[in-house]
Amino acid sequence: VQLQASGPGLVKPSETLSLTCAISGGSISDDNWWSWVRQPPGKGLEWIGEIYRDGTTNYNPSLKSRVTTSLDTPRNSFSLQLASVTAADTAMYFCAKAITPDAFKIWGRGTLVTVSS
Amino acid sequence: QSALTQPASVSGSPGQSITISCTGTSADVGRYKYVSWYQHHPGEAPKLLIYNVNYRPSGVSHRFSASKSGNTASLTISGLQPEDEANYFCSSYTTRSTWVFGGGTQLTVL
Repeated sequence: VQLQASGPGLVKPSETLSLTCAISGGSISDDNWWSWVRQPPGKGLEWIGEIYRDGTTNYNPSLKSRVTTSLDTPRNSFSLQLASVTAADTAMYFCAKAITPDAFKIWGRGTLVTVSS
Repeated sequence: QSALTQPASVSGSPGQSITISCTGTSADVGRYKYVSWYQHHPGEAPKLLIYNVNYRPSGVSHRFSASKSGNTASLTISGLQPEDEANYFCSSYTTRSTWVFGGGTQLTVL
């Protein structure tokens, strides 16, 4: 299985960040959770949230009010939307396949998103 | 949950062994067996090295081992090789059904 996150590299403050993670070599309907993790420059990783194949979601409480994740079964991909972004949301965003609660089994390379006007 | 605590950096010479610690709380590392370790070379996808405290996925070298005592987990890399130079981070599932990560440890192979 390989994952590749993609989306705009630059988002304006107060707008919505939207990313898609394309899955190859596997199916969005596999029995695992599809996750988003981010890493601000010079800082540690932060879990954003996850979505199961049936649409069940879990989110980081600190981001929950601004996060939405969704599945795109025909395109074999899943997506992240983060609303009302600020400079603090500037980070490398990773998508991952998680065997919750065991571990993040497969990661994508990550995509850098900068929030700036 | 706060991030798990890791040393910012460690170093060792080829052939030596190093250990990286990961300290959490009774709500994450100390509570469950769901502690995992990852290797991350810049520009690449992070790689799972250890899951459920001390299990290696197929294909991961036996030079990587791990353990846990109380609220602290540890990753040991034996027989250091130049290609081991990377960032290593830990993760744990938590009592709030969320995930928490360590700040990452940069390993330098001298």
